[in-house]
Amino acid sequence: SAVISQKPSRDICQRGTSLTIQCQVDSQVTMMFWYRQQPGQSLTLIATANQGSEATYESGFVIDKFPISRPNLTFSTLTVSNMSPEDSSIYLCSVIAGDYEQYFGPGTRLTVT
Amino acid sequence: QKEVEQDPGPLSVPEGAIVSLNCTYSNSAFQYFMWYRQYSRKGPELLMYTYSSGNKEDGRFTAQVDKSSKYISLFIRDSQPSDSATYLCASAGSNDYKLSFGAGTTVTVRA
Repeated sequence: SAVISQKPSRDICQRGTSLTIQCQVDSQVTMMFWYRQQPGQSLTLIATANQGSEATYESGFVIDKFPISRPNLTFSTLTVSNMSPEDSSIYLCSVIAGDYEQYFGPGTRLTVT
Repeated sequence: QKEVEQDPGPLSVPEGAIVSLNCTYSNSAFQYFMWYRQYSRKGPELLMYTYSSGNKEDGRFTAQVDKSSKYISLFIRDSQPSDSATYLCASAGSNDYKLSFGAGTTVTVRA
């Protein structure tokens, strides 16, 4: 398995500002993902962040809005830019550990006012 | 149409009952099947994972995958109040591991 931590655990932000979310893993992993869980909804994949390559974004998500960094095999950041109330969600990172098992961090609960 | 369909419930059962959760999927390329448990205000916790068709058992939990009918199941035996949570099914292909999630089923086990 993998132990994943995220910072911050929660934040309340003003419209138009940006927030950077950090994801730290206790072991080196190649594949890391960022998901969003809107209130009362299931998880939606934002992007795949593999070390050494540019992040690849899913339909409906763009780099200007959700820039991602992956500087090494244990760390990644997701920035939510120019926030609006519609960005209020839980943001989660996940990693592949073992053969194909995917583990999630505790999430960052974002509220945009 | 979503790639993974799951009845959101809610589902309420008495303590000790068997909880039966089901999902269907549409993408024939899916090879990996996961069940997650999510408590309120927590991240999803990986419960069970299977590759391709078959059954897998872990304590009180049994996961089943029938690729011929594109049907995924999770059974919880001797359910406990601590099993009260939202259960999410998820599937992925073998080339990218990108999970497609069901809507999640909220389960309440009554003491």
